[in-house]
Amino acid sequence: GAVVSQHPSWVICKSGTSVKIECRSLDFQATTMFWYRQFPKQSLMLMATSNEGSKATYEQGVEKDKFLINHASLTLSTLTVTSAHPEDSSFYICSASDPSGVKNIQYFGAGTRLSVL
Amino acid sequence: LAKTTQPISMDSYEGQEVNITCSHNNIATNDYITWYQQFPSQGPRFIIQGYKTKVTNEVASLFIPADRKSSTLSLPRVSLSDTAVYYCLVGDPRDDKIIFGKGTRLHILP
Repeated sequence: GAVVSQHPSWVICKSGTSVKIECRSLDFQATTMFWYRQFPKQSLMLMATSNEGSKATYEQGVEKDKFLINHASLTLSTLTVTSAHPEDSSFYICSASDPSGVKNIQYFGAGTRLSVL
Repeated sequence: LAKTTQPISMDSYEGQEVNITCSHNNIATNDYITWYQQFPSQGPRFIIQGYKTKVTNEVASLFIPADRKSSTLSLPRVSLSDTAVYYCLVGDPRDDKIIFGKGTRLHILP
């Protein structure tokens, strides 16, 4: 089945620094990937749609200058949390659908836990 | 996207069959019903998808009545490792953007 890899799985950073999270589709090409954020005991919240070769589409209320998304190839999307603050601490998850399958069946990365000190 | 309603939490015991029901009164003609499972500190995992009647795979069964306004995920003979959050989603399979509801937190007891 389709595999989505996310790296790192866990990152700690100081307040004010930037952190980059990578999402890779390992055995398929993904023109679209999605980024979610999840706080403890809550559901996944869609942050943005990452589009290969074009600008990301952000959900209402998500600061695009804060969460920079780059989808430079068909197998890699990156999320950069800029000038991170403790309130950005969360679990970040990416997903993509296998183009040979059903579009709304998404394959998810294992997630990245970000802790901002 | 059709709104879904499912129980916030459920408890069951090992070896039992667990049924989680999801309501989706505003489901559209082109919408399919999809269930995901999420373990703590992991990304969700696709379980099953269906349109009508019954779908079964190696993990679960999905029962959908004729009016399609609800669906039931059935997990046979659960084990402790089935403790997870289960999400019911409804949407057009041609649309890769999916929105998660609150999910059902299933706790399996020994």
